[in-house]
Amino acid sequence: GAGVSQSPRYKVAKRGQDVALRCDPISGHVSLFWYQQALGQGPEFLTYFQNEAQLDKSGLPSDRFFAERPEGSVSTLKIQRTQQEDSAVYLCASMGFPEAFFGQGTRLTVV
Amino acid sequence: QQPVQSPQAVILREGEDAVINCSSSKALYSVHWYRQKHGEAPVFLMILLKGGEQKGHDKISASFNEKKQQSSLYLTASQLSYSGTYFCGTGSIIQGAQKLVFGQGTRLTINP
Repeated sequence: GAGVSQSPRYKVAKRGQDVALRCDPISGHVSLFWYQQALGQGPEFLTYFQNEAQLDKSGLPSDRFFAERPEGSVSTLKIQRTQQEDSAVYLCASMGFPEAFFGQGTRLTVV
Repeated sequence: QQPVQSPQAVILREGEDAVINCSSSKALYSVHWYRQKHGEAPVFLMILLKGGEQKGHDKISASFNEKKQQSSLYLTASQLSYSGTYFCGTGSIIQGAQKLVFGQGTRLTINP
């Protein structure tokens, strides 16, 4: 596709429910990033991949968060046993050169 | 480690100038500048790769002091369309790939 595609755009989850957020990067982009953006804040780094290798996951808030990119293309961010503090916009970006292109994000609301 | 941006917010009248600063405690490979409007994804403005480099297009330019690990974004003769939140992203090379982390943002409001 022409840009980074994220799905779903909106997700409402009951507390304790598991969710999976999908990111389709721009074809050919080897680097892929996940960020968490709370209202009025900057994108907080969660993790990033180069191809299928997860190079840094230091930003994942807890072991309930898990990301994968098994074939070096599509990536999934999974959150287990969601809690209210997980409510945020989750942004995915893929990096060409020189810039990173962002998807529209997934707005997760945990109720 | 997140870069630090200043100021946190700026309010201008149309036509006035603004400077947004970004500093990092880590050695940097690159500095990226993005603008985000409410409810939208961040949009790329420019990237700076070399120390002391200055770039710009239209009335938006930026500088990067590699030794001081600082960058500044300059907006001259601001237009209403410049309103939004500006983020600097700092890139560092880890395991051969560029890790990109963002500051907390500077909210810019342009009034007519």
